[in-house]
Amino acid sequence: AQSVTQLDSQVPVFEEAPVELRCNYSSSVSVYLFWYVQYPNQGLQLLLKYLSGSTLVKGINGFEAEFNKSQTSFHLRKPSVHISDTAEYFCAVSGNRDDKIIFGKGTRLHILP
Amino acid sequence: KAGVTQTPRYLIKTRGQQVTLSCSPISGHRSVSWYQQTPGQGLQFLFEYFSETQRNKGNFPGRFSGRQFSNSRSEMNVSTLELGDSALYLCASSLEGRPWDEQFFGPGTRLTVL
Repeated sequence: AQSVTQLDSQVPVFEEAPVELRCNYSSSVSVYLFWYVQYPNQGLQLLLKYLSGSTLVKGINGFEAEFNKSQTSFHLRKPSVHISDTAEYFCAVSGNRDDKIIFGKGTRLHILP
Repeated sequence: KAGVTQTPRYLIKTRGQQVTLSCSPISGHRSVSWYQQTPGQGLQFLFEYFSETQRNKGNFPGRFSGRQFSNSRSEMNVSTLELGDSALYLCASSLEGRPWDEQFFGPGTRLTVL
């Protein structure tokens, strides 16, 4: 069975500082990995996804994530955050044998002025 | 291209009532999934429909049901509402519902059970 752990429920960071949101997964099969973002009062929106190939994935709004198979991690990073990045971020995993996607519990990113 | 729409956006019900939520996917998308989002549990998968058939189901009681119509629109129904059913219900559509497909989410229906 697959599972996703987002290690931090909340992350405060100063504006223009770098940020890393951590995600670890467990799966017995090949995986597809996703990061979604949810802005206040909205649904989720895809930031980026890893399907295969290069382990460094670039997404929208300056975010990127690195797939690390040996550490079963898919951490999300941004070199310089803006107030508009205030949102909740969800890591998700799906696998070949099961169409169901599993979401982590989310990390709230608080941008401090 | 219009996004995923959900109606109604807000709903207040009392315990014991039933409720029906509606979701219209993006045109051309054949897969519709439903999720329950609560502060403590995050997003929990309810079920997925593809071509009018339930293809996947999460661990929810039988009070939660759904269906999909020939135009891919979907409804979910919750009968005998409980206080714990208060949540944001999200619908997501994708082209074929394959593991690598991007899911497009609607804004959700906020259900409050009193």
